[in-house]
Amino acid sequence: GDSVTQMEGPVTLSEEAFLTINCTYTATGYPSLFWYVQYPGEGLQLLLKATKADDKGSNKGFEATYRKETTSFHLEKGSVQVSDSAVYFCALSGAGGGADGLTFGKGTHLIIQP
Amino acid sequence: DAGITQSPRHKVTETGTPVTLRCHQTENHRYMYWYRQDPGHGLRLIHYSYGVKDTDKGEVSDGYSVSRSKTEDFLLTLESATSSQTSVYFCAIARGQGNEQFFGPGTRLTVL
Repeated sequence: GDSVTQMEGPVTLSEEAFLTINCTYTATGYPSLFWYVQYPGEGLQLLLKATKADDKGSNKGFEATYRKETTSFHLEKGSVQVSDSAVYFCALSGAGGGADGLTFGKGTHLIIQP
Repeated sequence: DAGITQSPRHKVTETGTPVTLRCHQTENHRYMYWYRQDPGHGLRLIHYSYGVKDTDKGEVSDGYSVSRSKTEDFLLTLESATSSQTSVYFCAIARGQGNEQFFGPGTRLTVL
């Protein structure tokens, strides 16, 4: 079945550092890929998405590119802020064409220190 | 904001009691989902619905049932709660291209 693997952390960085959170997936066909963010005590918010190979999703300074050849969707940000501290989830939607549930990675806890 | 509310937001109950969680949406979306979130597991799908009275099982459906008698409401029932069902439960709807999903605020359930 489908699966998503991401670094679990915690990942601790200083403010203004460059961020990469790795995400790789296993799925048949061409799934859609997502990054969600969860701030402390809150629900999940969609951060960005990509629906086909080579698409780049971007939002709030975060970017991720859908790489079919490496089955990856790594999240990057050039300069992180304390307010980016949160848990980040990589997820995929199967390519079957229906609306099945998303498959999530286990989440990466990001801590940004001033 | 996808207009999703969940009730209750917090609940403490005892082992063996029935529990029903409610998800309500205001935008008439066809697809609705229930997930649970546990440390070290991310989110896992419990059940989902693709229309009124149309539901299907997810990855971790044992011990849970669902009902959808109206488009706007999707109920999750624990017939006899167990301590292993202590979790945070999220409801979601799907909209847009590629099955992107939007989540409610969650219900924290503690089973003693």
